[in-house]
Amino acid sequence: DTAVSQTPKYLVTQMGNDKSIKCEQNLGHDTMYWYKQDSKKFLKIMFSYNNKELIINETVPNRFSPKSPDKAHLNLHINSLELGDSAVYFCASSQTSTGELFFGEGSRLTVL
Amino acid sequence: KNQVEQSPQSLIILEGKNCTLQCNYTVSPFSNLRWYKQDTGRGPVSLTIMTFSENTKSNGRYTATLDADTKQSSLHITASQLSDSASYICVVSAGFQKLVFGTGTRLLVSP
Repeated sequence: DTAVSQTPKYLVTQMGNDKSIKCEQNLGHDTMYWYKQDSKKFLKIMFSYNNKELIINETVPNRFSPKSPDKAHLNLHINSLELGDSAVYFCASSQTSTGELFFGEGSRLTVL
Repeated sequence: KNQVEQSPQSLIILEGKNCTLQCNYTVSPFSNLRWYKQDTGRGPVSLTIMTFSENTKSNGRYTATLDADTKQSSLHITASQLSDSASYICVVSAGFQKLVFGTGTRLLVSP
């Protein structure tokens, strides 16, 4: 069973469109995250949720809106996509805020 | 400013050889240091987590060291295999919800 799963794995879309990426973890963890990995492979945190509550919201355009319907799910909705949004987005979870991170396989977003 | 720097940026070694990757950090306060392996097209996977009091930790052929005084860590890979080809990312935790990521070292193990 996949511990942290995210869909879709690949997403190609036009500028200006709205898209969502879904994430689910079956590890029973309390904390979930969204990370963005740019072309230089640098991972940068976007959001962190603990038990459905937003904990961290880094400097991310408000076109990005995370939603956590329950502590096992953290979805990412992106409005009005721009070319610069092209990246690989990783969902992750951890038992505690300082614990080991378990990453999903990533969702590669390409904005044309 | 909290920073994690890794060297070398990339490395090519022959299968069966050993190698050492370096991580220098200026992160405060310090909670723990992690090494992750990221295969191409996959998510990062944890190799080790080390706290302040630990100065060495092994995971199979991977051995991480930590010198908290000089704020340096290394990841030593013994008897490399083709499957070790990946990016290795050093991450330092500065406490609650605060992780500082390095830019990674890309390792290619050549047959």
